[in-house]
Amino acid sequence: DAEITQSPRHKITETGRQVTLACHQTWNHNNMFWYRQDLGHGLRLIHYSYGVQDTNKGEVSDGYSVSRSNTEDLPLTLESAASSQTSVYFCASSSATDTQYFGPGTRLTVL
Amino acid sequence: QKEVEQNSGPLSVPEGAIASLNCTYSDRGSQSFFWYRQYSGKSPELIMFIYSNGDKEDGRFTAQLNKASQYVSLLIRDSQPSDSATYLCAASIGGGATNKLIFGTGTLLAVQP
Repeated sequence: DAEITQSPRHKITETGRQVTLACHQTWNHNNMFWYRQDLGHGLRLIHYSYGVQDTNKGEVSDGYSVSRSNTEDLPLTLESAASSQTSVYFCASSSATDTQYFGPGTRLTVL
Repeated sequence: QKEVEQNSGPLSVPEGAIASLNCTYSDRGSQSFFWYRQYSGKSPELIMFIYSNGDKEDGRFTAQLNKASQYVSLLIRDSQPSDSATYLCAASIGGGATNKLIFGTGTLLAVQP
């Protein structure tokens, strides 16, 4: 069955370290998205991609980057982790329709 | 700024009752609307989507869309304790094959046995 996976599921890191969160989907979807979810803010879009070599900034992109070298993967990198980036991160993908399917999430703690 | 607004709740209903969840959106260009269910500690799970004005039914769930009023709702009939979760409303922005979604902050539903 097609699926979307994220790794690691839990991560603790220190301020200033570079962190990469992985997202892999086997839906063969062109569109992939990264969100963070915090209490009181709901899901906020960090970065998104509409295909290989395409990346775009979302509403909360500062301090984050992505790259899309193939259809299946969209890794999210925190260049220099900050305590404000402690959050739950969700990856999602969609085809030509709008319907997005979410991965299981990564809980990131920055100490 | 484009927004989707929901009452955060909690909305408490007795088992077997109808739960009514509401959402308003600001972008008149939004064409597609989604309801996701999210259990505590889990990822959002799609329940329904609706594109056209009116009602759309799927089992115990009915989505309602009124584009003139920029209003979307989700009715859950015969509510069960297993329906207790946060319900996220989302609206599409953009168009074609490259839509983004904007999410509300969610309504917490508690179904009392």
